[in-house]
Amino acid sequence: EVQLVESGGGLVQPGGSLRLSCAASGFTFSSYSINWVRQAPGKGLEWVSYISSDSTRIYYEDSVKGRFTISRDNAKNSLYLQMNSLRDEDTAVYYCAREYYYRNDYWGQGTLVTVSS
Amino acid sequence: QSALTQPASVSGSPGQSITISCTGTSSDVGGYNYVSWYQQHPGKAPKLMIYEVSNRPSGVSNRFSGSKSGNTASLTISGLQAEDEGDYYCTSYRVNTNLVVFGGGTKLTVL
Repeated sequence: EVQLVESGGGLVQPGGSLRLSCAASGFTFSSYSINWVRQAPGKGLEWVSYISSDSTRIYYEDSVKGRFTISRDNAKNSLYLQMNSLRDEDTAVYYCAREYYYRNDYWGQGTLVTVSS
Repeated sequence: QSALTQPASVSGSPGQSITISCTGTSSDVGGYNYVSWYQQHPGKAPKLMIYEVSNRPSGVSNRFSGSKSGNTASLTISGLQAEDEGDYYCTSYRVNTNLVVFGGGTKLTVL
């Protein structure tokens, strides 16, 4: 069974940092690209970042460029999102999602990040 | 502002059919058959319902169908049921970014 489990969310002050993790199981992690997608309270889904299966292609949404860093460890079946210089508007549930031919076919349950003083 | 345009809300009565539109450009929806649709219930993760315009993943009811005409894709739900209530999002591959772009989402209310 394919599973994606996010962790690392929590309450952080503006300007602070947080590292999210996504643990994958039930499939060959090293063969798939992964996306981070977030959802602010009461808002729609927003793509945040993409990493290819071999980490050679990495992309970010404009508002997080220079502040967020996506990475993966295929040996550990894990994906990460290092978030620095956090802002109020980064408050959201963050999902990791497996991408297969431009569709996100499996999603984690999400982890809540709250940026507030 | 989202890359793809969806109506904010649609509604229908049990047993009826509804259609949700998703409008893009020739660089995404109109140019490629990589349109997907997701269902999201409150507090839950999105669930893939349709991929590559009109294909259903295993386990998704055949009451859900997808189509495309020009730069607009559509999700049709027939025989509406109370459990279909929720938010629906479309996505599409966009050639100039080589990434997937999202619609703003549509809230479906079953009356």
